[in-house]
Amino acid sequence: DAGVTQSPTHLIKTRGQQVTLRCSPISGHKSVSWYQQVLGQGPQFIFQYYEKEERGRGNFPDRFSARQFPNYSSELNVNALLLGDSALYLCASSQDWTATNEKLFFGSGTQLSVL
Amino acid sequence: AQSVTQLDSQVPVFEEAPVELRCNYSSSVSVYLFWYVQYPNQGLQLLLKYLSGSTLVKGINGFEAEFNKSQTSFHLRKPSVHISDTAEYFCAVSGPDSSYKLIFGSGTRLLVRP
Repeated sequence: DAGVTQSPTHLIKTRGQQVTLRCSPISGHKSVSWYQQVLGQGPQFIFQYYEKEERGRGNFPDRFSARQFPNYSSELNVNALLLGDSALYLCASSQDWTATNEKLFFGSGTQLSVL
Repeated sequence: AQSVTQLDSQVPVFEEAPVELRCNYSSSVSVYLFWYVQYPNQGLQLLLKYLSGSTLVKGINGFEAEFNKSQTSFHLRKPSVHISDTAEYFCAVSGPDSSYKLIFGSGTRLLVRP
């Protein structure tokens, strides 16, 4: 069975540009979460979507947005990129919306570099 | 607000030696605690979790952790490490009112030497 897939694996952008990252959850999983992992730090929660609705949002500016499609795949959009947005962006899926009772499955991430 | 502290950024150890990776948390409410491992160029994989019940939790790959409420700690241990255990280890916390998200520590790199 395919795990959580993210695309692209690597991306280089310049300051001020916009970027879209994509995530396909494991088949049957209805929840997708996004995390940002800056080099040398732990992942930081950005968003969670369940059944196409936003269930939670982390402490990120409005430049960050996301959505979930009817097939439960998800996109993370970041506008007006800053150098500090350079990070590994991780997507995680689960069957239900809780990160506790349900096991989270993480993708390998998209490495975004902003120059 | 909840937070997690992993004081050791890197822990070097020889193969077949025991290891302990330290994790302390801060929370005003009951917590759920997790340990995740991240191998190079891969996503995170759940090692073990504590939700309630027995304070000694056993996970995959021979790892275990003990929840200590009085010391607000959740240290990860393995009695004998292998080269293949070399990876980044993250402690994370969640809670009943925020069970949809995990708050991660900054990670500890375990470096196993032959």
